[in-house]
Amino acid sequence: GQNIDQPTEMTATEGAIVQINCTYQTSGFNGLFWYQQHAGEAPTFLSYNVLDGLEEKGRFSSFLSRSKGYSYLLLKELQMKDSASYLCAVLHTGANNLFFGTGTRLTVIP
Amino acid sequence: GAGVSQTPSNKVTEKGKYVELRCDPISGHTALYWYRQSLGQGPEFLIYFQGTGAADDSGLPNDRFFAVRPEGSVSTLKIQRTERGDSAVYLCASSPRGAGGPGEQFFGPGTRLTVL
Repeated sequence: GQNIDQPTEMTATEGAIVQINCTYQTSGFNGLFWYQQHAGEAPTFLSYNVLDGLEEKGRFSSFLSRSKGYSYLLLKELQMKDSASYLCAVLHTGANNLFFGTGTRLTVIP
Repeated sequence: GAGVSQTPSNKVTEKGKYVELRCDPISGHTALYWYRQSLGQGPEFLIYFQGTGAADDSGLPNDRFFAVRPEGSVSTLKIQRTERGDSAVYLCASSPRGAGGPGEQFFGPGTRLTVL
């Protein structure tokens, strides 16, 4: 079976740093994705990790530990427009689709 | 360039009716996916096409759901005898690569289906 856990909601202050955690259990791991989804809109790709370590892309970074079944998305210098849901999704070996968590709804406050 | 488009953006129907939802993927993308997203949940996989064939339909909830992609481009998701529980946002995604690859999936804006 497979399972993904991430916090339901988080609140952070504009200009601050926030870390959104994701833990997963899956048979045959083949990569982990983070997507951003604003209310009423399509998910948009943020990052992909398949090897252990940190991937940095501008204000956003994503970390993966395969041995721990753990990832996090780090958002720096938060802006109001970062208020959105952040979806953790796993691709497992032999599968054709992404398995998504329920998402973390981030609210950025002034 | 154009992204994934889906029509209609909203569909309201009555219980028991038949509906068709359309997806136009990004040109040249061979892989096409349908997902369903209920409020407060992540997208849930329904079916995957590689070219014209349904390579994986394991996510379809029952035989009322069917999808086609006859020319390897546009896809139609068909739902027969709709039920109130089918109400959700139906998302389509396409990717330049298919099974097992790390290819990023590009999502369309979705069709919000409401079954009364």
